[in-house]
Amino acid sequence: AQSVAQPEDQVNVAEGNPLTVKCTYSVSGNPYLFWYVQYPNRGLQFLLKYITGDNLVKGSYGFEAEFNKSQTSFHLKKPSALVSDSALYFCAVRGTNTGTASKLTFGTGTRLQVTL
Amino acid sequence: ETGVTQSPTHLIKTRGQQVTLRCSSQSGHNTVSWYQQALGQGPQFIFQYYREEENGRGNFPPRFSGLQFPNYSSELNVNALELDDSALYLCASSPQDRAYEQYFGPGTRLTVT
Repeated sequence: AQSVAQPEDQVNVAEGNPLTVKCTYSVSGNPYLFWYVQYPNRGLQFLLKYITGDNLVKGSYGFEAEFNKSQTSFHLKKPSALVSDSALYFCAVRGTNTGTASKLTFGTGTRLQVTL
Repeated sequence: ETGVTQSPTHLIKTRGQQVTLRCSSQSGHNTVSWYQQALGQGPQFIFQYYREEENGRGNFPPRFSGLQFPNYSSELNVNALELDDSALYLCASSPQDRAYEQYFGPGTRLTVT
């Protein structure tokens, strides 16, 4: 079985400061890892993915994530937060030993609040 | 390039009724996945369709069923609605050979009373 843990329900950061949203995972085989953002009453918007290659992945809107295999983590980061980054962030994983379906397993989400 | 679209946006149904939700895939995508997102939770995988056949299913009862059409659009049908079915239903489409790369629509908010 595959699972994702997002240990923080909410992260608060001041605009201009760096932000980190944490994610750890458990999966069979090599992980495919994703970050999505959700604004109120909206669907999920793709931010970035890790499939293979460099452990530091760059995505949309200045976000990046670092894959750490030994710690089974995939934390989302941004060097300088904006108020407009305030939203709900989901980490998701898909293992490579999950049969034919590409099922994504999501964490429970972390609410990011960026204040002036 | 047109993104994933879903209809309707909102829907209110009574317990015991049946509902059909619709999804149009992003251009060039041939795989569709459906997820249920209850309030305050992450999305939960319902099932996936590829070439008009169910390609995998999550832990949902048979009253949740789906269809995929030759143009890759899709329907989610839920029979005998229960109060716990109230949720945001998300459709995601994926390009050929990269079914793990899922692009989501805006969702349909279903309320069961």
